[in-house]
Amino acid sequence: KNEVEQSPQNLTAQEGEFITINCSYSVGISALHWLQQHPGGGIVSLFMLSSGKKKHGRLIATINIQEKHSSLHITASHPRDSAVYICAVGSTGNQFYFGTGTSLTVIP
Amino acid sequence: DTAVSQTPKYLVTQMGNDKSIKCEQNLGHDTMYWYKQDSKKFLKIMFSYNNKELIINETVPNRFSPKSPDKAHLNLHINSLELGDSAVYFCASSQVGNNEQFFGPGTRLTVL
Repeated sequence: KNEVEQSPQNLTAQEGEFITINCSYSVGISALHWLQQHPGGGIVSLFMLSSGKKKHGRLIATINIQEKHSSLHITASHPRDSAVYICAVGSTGNQFYFGTGTSLTVIP
Repeated sequence: DTAVSQTPKYLVTQMGNDKSIKCEQNLGHDTMYWYKQDSKKFLKIMFSYNNKELIINETVPNRFSPKSPDKAHLNLHINSLELGDSAVYFCASSQVGNNEQFFGPGTRLTVL
């Protein structure tokens, strides 16, 4: 069992829909990261959070430390949001664990 | 441009060879990382390194070794390449106290 589990693995949405990607983890963490990998392969860090909620444009990330769970929300989704979204955690033991990613396709 | 850069972008080589991938960051960060992304797109950390500490993922074969000539560079040396080493390798950097990571564009290694 992976230390980080994401769901769903694949997601197809219509443009404009509200999207949620979930991440659960089993280790003690120092921080949780949401990454975006575009079809071209480049990886961009979207959020790093250790508590509460962060918002950047149409993207919102939340984390519940007690439940060991984080969600990434995309409001008013757009085809350019199509990418793989990866949840990763930096553990208190100085290790770094990745989820298997959620492949999002937004259809115009 | 401020960024994390890697060279080469593509590397094709034969089994048994020794190769290196270079990584440079001009962000002033003090921690650098190497990640491997396999054919199933699963990312795994290989190393994290700052001036004080090298943390190695214990699953990484000792054919892989990071070399840091200075704070801005962390090169990855791979000896006796095997078919299973074929993957995309990403370098990243961050600042101590702020683990937000900045990724390089990746190096696609193909071992024939």
